[in-house]
Amino acid sequence: SYELTQPPSVSVSPGQTARITCSGDALPKEYAYWYQQKSGQAPVLVIYEDTKRPSGIPERFSGSSSGTMATLTISGAQVEDEADYYCYSTDSSDNDRVFGGGTKLTVL
Amino acid sequence: EVQLVESGGGLVQPGGSLRLSCAASGFIFSNYYMDWVRQAPGKRLEWVGRSRNKAHTYATEYASPVKGRFTVSRDDSKNSLFLQMNSLKTDDTAVYYCARLSTGDPYYFDYWGQGTVVTVSS
Repeated sequence: SYELTQPPSVSVSPGQTARITCSGDALPKEYAYWYQQKSGQAPVLVIYEDTKRPSGIPERFSGSSSGTMATLTISGAQVEDEADYYCYSTDSSDNDRVFGGGTKLTVL
Repeated sequence: EVQLVESGGGLVQPGGSLRLSCAASGFIFSNYYMDWVRQAPGKRLEWVGRSRNKAHTYATEYASPVKGRFTVSRDDSKNSLFLQMNSLKTDDTAVYYCARLSTGDPYYFDYWGQGTVVTVSS
């Protein structure tokens, strides 16, 4: 079955740029989506279709994708951005819908 | 404001059954596909099942681990989504979220509920 791979953790100081990657063989032909999940809360969509930002999401969140890797970038990360971040994508060849393993972002 | 509120979770013995509900508000429920997604303790999010809308004949789909045991249904007159879980296993222990799908292909989860906890244990 299809898998998406993320680093388990990323750590930055406040104001620095955090980059979280997601690799998957189907990403060249499928979009990546990114969800933020703070402790004990429901996931929140922060990036859709590789690069688009939903209304209400701060401009410091951006997404990109190249080849088999998608990247979530948080420019000028803030303490309130501490959360687990999950990428999501599909593999239409066998109808898989999968999440990455999640990356714990620490900002301190 | 879109709101999704799950209920029905609890403690159940292996082999038992449980029915989860998701009450939706703030949008025209009948127009949307709706999914269930779960998260076992310390594990990644896992897609469980889908209910398409009336325009797509309420067709359902399931992840392999739950196929034949779980059933997704909906009642558009009550703006509610359901997950009937039978023959439960300890591996089904998780927080279960209902999620709204975006309009149009490609589909993705644009709103989530807060989740309800299901514990399968003897």
